[in-house]
Amino acid sequence: EAQVTQNPRYLITVTGKKLTVTCSQNMNHEYMSWYRQDPGLGLRQIYYSMNVEVTDKGDVPEGYKVSRKEKRNFPLILESPSPNQTSLYFCASRDHYNSPLHFGNGTRLTVT
Amino acid sequence: GQQVMQIPQYQHVQEGEDFTTYCNSSTTLSNIQWYKQRPGGHPVFLIQLVKSGEVKKQKRLTFQFGEAKKNSSLHITATQTTDVGTYFCAGGATSGTYKYIFGTGTRLKVLA
Repeated sequence: EAQVTQNPRYLITVTGKKLTVTCSQNMNHEYMSWYRQDPGLGLRQIYYSMNVEVTDKGDVPEGYKVSRKEKRNFPLILESPSPNQTSLYFCASRDHYNSPLHFGNGTRLTVT
Repeated sequence: GQQVMQIPQYQHVQEGEDFTTYCNSSTTLSNIQWYKQRPGGHPVFLIQLVKSGEVKKQKRLTFQFGEAKKNSSLHITATQTTDVGTYFCAGGATSGTYKYIFGTGTRLKVLA
């Protein structure tokens, strides 16, 4: 089944404790992206990747890192999480520019 | 920078009533995509519009793309409880950045 898999679904952590949210897709998509969803703000792009070893900042990249060492994986790294990074995070992938985005099930992160 | 505004933010309707959400971009778009997110779920692709003035229908859903390719609308006729969720538009940039800007979303509640 074609899918984007994110883990974990829920994560509660403390300020400053490094964490990684994993994302994997099995559709051989070149493009992958991370979004955060906050009430009233919709989906805001954090980082995206056009292909392996090619990443670029989205609209809200501060406090986040990504890597794209393999085509299927695109982890989101928070080196020193802060409470303002409490949010619902989605990973997504697509085949080419005009293709639909396929979203993962989301990761609800709480930073205390 | 490019912005996509979506109104209304919330809409409560009685089952059987019609519903419309509007997207307005500050710049001309190359195309626009619409997504639906059920409560607790992830965004799921509904449709894409590419041509100026384009109108597409999916059963009770009608999607329009403005003549100037700066606005779009989604109209649902005779809403049902299964229509509950948040509807997002995503405008494709014309600048060659392969970027989509999501609207802030409209949360629809349908009262039975």
